[in-house]
Amino acid sequence: GENVEQHPSTLSVQEGDSAVIKCTYSDSASNYFPWYKQELGKRPQLIIDIRSNVGEKKDQRIAVTLNKTAKHFSLHITETQPEDSAVYFCAASNQGGKLIFGQGTELSVKP
Amino acid sequence: KAGVTQTPRYLIKTRGQQVTLSCSPISGHRSVSWYQQTPGQGLQFLFEYFSETQRNKGNFPGRFSGRQFSNSRSEMNVSTLELGDSALYLCASSFGTTGNTIYFGEGSWLTVV
Repeated sequence: GENVEQHPSTLSVQEGDSAVIKCTYSDSASNYFPWYKQELGKRPQLIIDIRSNVGEKKDQRIAVTLNKTAKHFSLHITETQPEDSAVYFCAASNQGGKLIFGQGTELSVKP
Repeated sequence: KAGVTQTPRYLIKTRGQQVTLSCSPISGHRSVSWYQQTPGQGLQFLFEYFSETQRNKGNFPGRFSGRQFSNSRSEMNVSTLELGDSALYLCASSFGTTGNTIYFGEGSWLTVV
């Protein structure tokens, strides 16, 4: 069935360091890959997304890479700040509003 | 413009009861999908409605059902509640084509006692 594996489950970095979260998907028909940030008690907020016809996308300190052959995609956050602390979810979709989520990564940025 | 609106935000129900949750999508969005979030299982897809039709369905028992109205508003219903149904239920909306940004509502916190 459709599955998305996300690693690591927890990640602790020092302020200013980079953070990398990796995901692997099983459904080769997946063509849309969003990343969501969820702060405690709040809704998931889209931070960046990538479509299957693109290999890399960057938005200020955040970048996402996609390797369709290996069915891997990754989130890179540079120059991390304490306000980046949250749970990050990757997801994959091949059908409209249906998202299959990874298990989440709890990122802690220590000042 | 207004975001995805969910009601009620918090509710407590007793085992065996049923519950109905409501979602108003962003204006112009025709797709509404529902997700269950629990600490143990993460974010799991329940179902998606598009133009009043269920387009996709996740792996949940038949106690979980939904519908969408002509104005794209959606409701989901859970019958014969179990303790394990305690969760945050999130509604999300989009224009409905794969690759469209999907926006989440604040969610409805359901506690079953």
